[in-house]
Amino acid sequence: GAVVSQHPSRVICKSGTSVKIECRSLDFQATTMFWYRQFPKQSLMLMATSNEGSKATYEQGVEKDKFLINHASLTLSTLTVTSAHPEDSSFYICSAQRGGGTYNEQFFGPGTRLTVL
Amino acid sequence: TQLLEQSPQFLSIQEGENLTVYCNSSSVFSSLQWYRQEPGEGPVLLVTVVTGGEVKKLKRLTFQFGDARKDSSLHITAAQTGDTGLYLCAGASVETSGSRLTFGEGTQLTVNP
Repeated sequence: GAVVSQHPSRVICKSGTSVKIECRSLDFQATTMFWYRQFPKQSLMLMATSNEGSKATYEQGVEKDKFLINHASLTLSTLTVTSAHPEDSSFYICSAQRGGGTYNEQFFGPGTRLTVL
Repeated sequence: TQLLEQSPQFLSIQEGENLTVYCNSSSVFSSLQWYRQEPGEGPVLLVTVVTGGEVKKLKRLTFQFGDARKDSSLHITAAQTGDTGLYLCAGASVETSGSRLTFGEGTQLTVNP
């Protein structure tokens, strides 16, 4: 159990366009989902925390109008990178926590490689 | 801001050798997770430790949680090339509300044949 999927796995887009990334918990309900950004050979950088039915909480320095997060159901959260620029190119990873979980364990999706030309 | 210092940052060893990765903090954690990540993929949860002094084993991997729940270690015995990857520790601090985790900086392990 505790499988998280992400779609798409890779996306290449032109500068100025918007890209939507989906994160789904396949076999459990996720009360909380997280979005991370990761640079090569570095650890995860938390961008925002998303709770079902409420507004996402963004980390300091993350532009909420640029990185739109929607957590519409207990199994789906989306991240939309608006007006993407080359500096937004990165590996984006989502994670999900089970509702009722005790130890704050997060289960990660496989990631989305975004390349902005 | 809670910091979780992970060391070493990079480790390159030969197959068959043993190694230990450390995570240290001044904060107390209610739980601590270890993840392994391969290139181009998401991190995979290896283990969760919750009790001070706890030791958990997963085949050749031994995880230990410090008595004060401020530090943890991962020991790999007789490393194999398949152990290559980025190892991440992550803790849920008792001082932080909500469910976020604090991640260490990661240890990039390369096991050479």
